[in-house]
Amino acid sequence: GAVVSQHPSRVICKSGTSVKIECRSLDFQATTMFWYRQFPKKSLMLMATSNEGSKATYEQGVEKDKFLINHASLTLSTLTVTSAHPEDSSFYICSAPGQWLKRSYEQYFGPGTRLTVT
Amino acid sequence: QQPVQSPQAVILREGEDAVINCSSSKALYSVHWYRQKHGEAPVFLMILLKGGEQKGHEKISASFNEKKQQSSLYLTASQLSYSGTYFCGTEDAGGTSYGKLTFGQGTILTVHP
Repeated sequence: GAVVSQHPSRVICKSGTSVKIECRSLDFQATTMFWYRQFPKKSLMLMATSNEGSKATYEQGVEKDKFLINHASLTLSTLTVTSAHPEDSSFYICSAPGQWLKRSYEQYFGPGTRLTVT
Repeated sequence: QQPVQSPQAVILREGEDAVINCSSSKALYSVHWYRQKHGEAPVFLMILLKGGEQKGHEKISASFNEKKQQSSLYLTASQLSYSGTYFCGTEDAGGTSYGKLTFGQGTILTVHP
């Protein structure tokens, strides 16, 4: 099946610094990618939809100036957490939809990035 | 609005069966099921589309009642490897962003020998 990679898998940063997370579709093109955030023992919360060649669409309550998303190519989307604070510590996961029949898409998830802000 | 899953947790012995339910207050186009193990990304199990089409795992089955906006995942003859957290993800019928899913809160399944 299709593969989505994320880099880095783990990152520790100091409060106030910025961190960039990359999401790549390795063997298929993804005009759309999704970014999720997951707290321990909680569900996946959609943060934003990343669109190649246009601005990302953010979910209600997500600060677009804090979580910068850039979909630079058909295989790469990046999430930059700016001026990170301890409350930004979380598991960030990206996904890219494949295509199966009509409109519905199987999601291919990246392995996730564990961000810890100290 | 997040779909609601039930039960929140299930404990089984190997070989036993389980049913996990997912209910939405919105009209749905599709329901997706994923399993996630601790510290890992979710793994695809099943998609069920409005109209009856589906695609999924050989040993796992599911149903989708479009009128009630409900889906159930059936795990039969459970194996130790079935342990993990199961999430349903729903795609709204009126959605404009293809592939955009809203996930339920998860059901923790534990299978003991």
